[in-house]
Amino acid sequence: QKEVEQNSGPLSVPEGAIASLNCTYSDRVSQSFFWYRQYSGKSPELIMSIYSNGDKEDGRFTAQLNKASQYVSLLIRDSQPSDSATYLCAPWGWNTDKLIFGTGTRLQVFP
Amino acid sequence: DGGITQSPKYLFRKEGQNVTLSCEQNLNHDAMYWYRQDPGQGLRLIYYSQIVNDFQKGDIAEGYSVSREKKESFPLTVTSAQKNPTAFYLCASSIQGDGANVLTFGAGSRLTVL
Repeated sequence: QKEVEQNSGPLSVPEGAIASLNCTYSDRVSQSFFWYRQYSGKSPELIMSIYSNGDKEDGRFTAQLNKASQYVSLLIRDSQPSDSATYLCAPWGWNTDKLIFGTGTRLQVFP
Repeated sequence: DGGITQSPKYLFRKEGQNVTLSCEQNLNHDAMYWYRQDPGQGLRLIYYSQIVNDFQKGDIAEGYSVSREKKESFPLTVTSAQKNPTAFYLCASSIQGDGANVLTFGAGSRLTVL
């Protein structure tokens, strides 16, 4: 089993819709979870971090964490074409000193 | 402005040559990392360093070497032993090396073997 699993996509949603990106992880001691956005040919940038079970909202983005199910998701409300990018999930646990990234989900928002 | 500078942005290498990718940060971060990304793939960790004069192998260190003589600098050498070096290389840093801190990435270096 991979340490971090994401559906590679592409996930296609119409402009204005909600995009739901999912990530499962195998390390039960994972404590922190990060979502990075990467535009084609560019470097990743952090968009959300979440540390506790439940939801965390930041503008149009909501991160949801369920540690019991080892599942973290990212919702993007009112999706815009500028949201078209690859979204990388990266959990971190106390038993490691480095981030392990998922392979990412490619999101396409069409007008 | 604080940030991470990677150079060169594009690099072409002939087979059998060693090349060095530069990574410099002025964020006063302790930890620095090198990742490799292949088309349609996620980021794979090559080497990381949590403190000057110390570094650890990541998941795909074979064929690569690094040094950390200064806090600001973490160059990566792609040696001729790396059989498939064509990739996008990303350097990152964080305040501390415990992973709980956010990674700041450079713009990347794209290496192509001719």
